[in-house]
Amino acid sequence: KNEVEQSPQNLTAQEGEFITINCSYSVGISALHWLQQHPGGGIVSLFMLSSGKKKHGRLIATINIQEKHSSLHITASHPRDSAVYICAVLTHWGTGNQFYFGTGTSLTVIP
Amino acid sequence: DGGITQSPKYLFRKEGQNVTLSCEQNLNHDAMYWYRQDPGQGLRLIYYSQIVNDFQKGDIAEGYSVSREKKESFPLTVTSAQKNPTAFYLCASNGVGPEPQHFGDGTRLSIL
Repeated sequence: KNEVEQSPQNLTAQEGEFITINCSYSVGISALHWLQQHPGGGIVSLFMLSSGKKKHGRLIATINIQEKHSSLHITASHPRDSAVYICAVLTHWGTGNQFYFGTGTSLTVIP
Repeated sequence: DGGITQSPKYLFRKEGQNVTLSCEQNLNHDAMYWYRQDPGQGLRLIYYSQIVNDFQKGDIAEGYSVSREKKESFPLTVTSAQKNPTAFYLCASNGVGPEPQHFGDGTRLSIL
């Protein structure tokens, strides 16, 4: 069983649609990260959350610690949002951060 | 701009050959990591290092080796003992505390 589960695995949307990607985890965490992996393979960090909600432009990330669940929302989606979105949980830090990664959600936004 | 540089972008290995993947960072980060990514799987930790001259095995260290002689550099050697080396390899680093990791652009390793 994976410590981090994401859904859906694949998502196709029309430009302008509101998109939600979900992440559930089964371990105690210090923080949760949402990552974006571009088609070339490079990964960038979008958000780090330990509670509540964060917003950056058209991206919104929420986390419910009690339910061990996080969502990433994209408003007014655009073809340039097409990427793989990865949820990662940080379970321990101080002696080397310990991360568990979801398998990713592949998003394609069609013009 | 600070960042992580991985090289080469593509690498091919012959049977019985060791190959070394380079990872350099100028972010002044103490901790560095190597991950392997396979299709349909999450990133898996190969090795990590918190400080120069020290490193720890991750979940899938067999067939790999690393060194950390300088703070900026954390090369990964894929040895001939790694029977299934074809994968995408990502190097990452972070500073002190529960902060996001910074990733390189990855190296794609294939078998000839």
